[in-house]
Amino acid sequence: KAGVTQTPRYLIKTRGQQVTLSCSPISGHRSVSWYQQTPGQGLQFLFEYFSETQRNKGNFPGRFSGRQFSNSRSEMNVSTLELGDSALYLCASSSFVGNNEKLFFGSGTQLSVL
Amino acid sequence: QQQVKQSPQSLIVQKGGISIINCAYENTAFDYFPWYQQFPGKGPALLIAIRPDVSEKKEGRFTISFNKSAKQFSLHIMDSQPGDSATYFCAALYNFNKFYFGSGTKLNVKP
Repeated sequence: KAGVTQTPRYLIKTRGQQVTLSCSPISGHRSVSWYQQTPGQGLQFLFEYFSETQRNKGNFPGRFSGRQFSNSRSEMNVSTLELGDSALYLCASSSFVGNNEKLFFGSGTQLSVL
Repeated sequence: QQQVKQSPQSLIVQKGGISIINCAYENTAFDYFPWYQQFPGKGPALLIAIRPDVSEKKEGRFTISFNKSAKQFSLHIMDSQPGDSATYFCAALYNFNKFYFGSGTKLNVKP
């Protein structure tokens, strides 16, 4: 079974630009969540989608948005990039069926904002 | 504010020693507490997890100790090996599908 795939692996953008990150979950998983990882801050929850509906949202500004498609693939968009948005963005998928709360993470997209 | 507080930020242990990482939480509604291991260039991977009705769970060299009254839990790595060198994150699950992660502990096991 293929794991969680995130593209692109690396991105370099300048302030003010926007960026779209993509995530393909494990086949059969309907939940996709996004996290921002920065040194010293750990993983900060951005949002979670289940069957195309956003179920949870973290404390990030409205510049951060996402969506999920009918095939469970998800995209995350950041508009008007700021220097502080430089981070590793991780996507995780889960089946969340019964008591299975295990998250499967992709390798992430490393975003650098110059 | 940080829902799950993790310490230490970094840890150096000699090969064969015991590595201990601690986490504390405030929200008593959390009902699942996993630990994730992350190697450089990779995403975190589930290592071991515990539910609050159990005080300890052991899988091989890895043990979670859980103290519900103190709202603390910890990861113990026995006989630490250089291959265990990684960043470790504790986490807590809220409302079935929202995870809160600690800030991470970078473990370095010296040969």
